[in-house]
Amino acid sequence: QKEVEQDPGPLSVPEGAIVSLNCTYSNSAFQYFMWYRQYSRKGPELLMYTYSSGNKEDGRFTAQVDKSSKYISLFIRDSQPSDSATYLCAMRSAGGGNKLTFGTGTQLKVEL
Amino acid sequence: NAGVTQTPKFQVLKTGQSMTLQCAQDMNHNSMYWYRQDPGMGLRLIYYSASEGTTDKGEVPNGYNVSRLNKREFSLRLESAAPSQTSVYFCASSESSGRGETQYFGPGTRLLVL
Repeated sequence: QKEVEQDPGPLSVPEGAIVSLNCTYSNSAFQYFMWYRQYSRKGPELLMYTYSSGNKEDGRFTAQVDKSSKYISLFIRDSQPSDSATYLCAMRSAGGGNKLTFGTGTQLKVEL
Repeated sequence: NAGVTQTPKFQVLKTGQSMTLQCAQDMNHNSMYWYRQDPGMGLRLIYYSASEGTTDKGEVPNGYNVSRLNKREFSLRLESAAPSQTSVYFCASSESSGRGETQYFGPGTRLLVL
């Protein structure tokens, strides 16, 4: 079993929809949680970063962490065609340097 | 400010050939990383360098070697390429290897081993 599980999609939604992307994990030592966005044939770029449990909001994006359930989510409100990309969750524990464990990524397409 | 740059963008090798993937960053970051990305596997860490002069193995180091040439540059070498090394390779850097610093990624190198 992988340490981090993420539904690969693809997920197709109409413009303006609310999108929910999720990851589950098995390592209870993970404390730092990130969402990266990766456009086709590009490198990943950091979208959201949260520490421990709780919510974080940045514009149309909200990241949620539920450590008791080992479950993290990324919500995108008022989705736009420019949000079409692959979204990767990543996480790391407090020790062990800055080594990240990534999910496989969810491919999202927002259609006009 | 170019961020993280990688060369080449694309390469085709025959089994057994060697090559070096180059990575450079201009953000004065201490830590640098090499990942490979494969369908259904996500990003997996090959090697990382917490600071100039140090390197350490990641999750999938077999078949690879690295050199931290200076603070800016971190190269990945395939001594004898195998078809299983067909992948997209990403270099990344961060200010340090401490608590949760953001990793910045390069555009990737697509490698095909025949």
